[in-house]
Amino acid sequence: GESVGLHLPTLSVQEGDNSIINCAYSNSASDYFIWYKQESGKGPQFIIDIRSNMDKRQGQRVTVLLNKTVKHLSLQIAATQPGDSAVYFCAGREKYNAGNMLTFGGGTRLMVKP
Amino acid sequence: NAGVMQNPRHLVRRRGQEARLRCSPMKGHSHVYWYRQLPEEGLKFMVYLQKENIIDESGMPKERFSAEFPKEGPSILRIQQVVRGDSAAYFCASSPPGLALAGELFFGEGSRLTVL
Repeated sequence: GESVGLHLPTLSVQEGDNSIINCAYSNSASDYFIWYKQESGKGPQFIIDIRSNMDKRQGQRVTVLLNKTVKHLSLQIAATQPGDSAVYFCAGREKYNAGNMLTFGGGTRLMVKP
Repeated sequence: NAGVMQNPRHLVRRRGQEARLRCSPMKGHSHVYWYRQLPEEGLKFMVYLQKENIIDESGMPKERFSAEFPKEGPSILRIQQVVRGDSAAYFCASSPPGLALAGELFFGEGSRLTVL
């Protein structure tokens, strides 16, 4: 089965700085990846996704980079704001699974200092 | 357009009791997924259901846990004879029919089970 994990459990950044959250995955059959944001006491919220045939995708203030060679995924947040403080999860979908089941990494807590 | 609705949001049970968690998917979504999250950990897949069918229950413990998604009504995750180790947040997610090109799962706010 797939395993998705993160390098850093906690990341502390200054407001206005850029944040980079990393994720490693083990299953080369994964065809789709998502980053979720989870605030305390809430469910995961979709941030951005990327298909395995891409290596970069940009959203509003966020960019996801995919390096299939080393099975690495990163989320970049530009001009980090206090509202970005949350736990961030990467998740991957195995190409041949029966539905849209996602395997989640362990999460990185982002703390934004004012 | 309401999102994924879960209830109860918080549930307290004593050891040996039963817990029933309910999930109503987003309108038009026929696929439901249940995930469990322990404190300070990621979400672990439990079961994937479509209407009246369990598609994949590989992440669900063989004993005491069951799930259903009837033709009418919400999906139910049932935990019998709860133990303290069952204390966790249980999240439900839904997706539209078919293997979505986007693949995004839409999550509810979770049901937090505490076993005393």
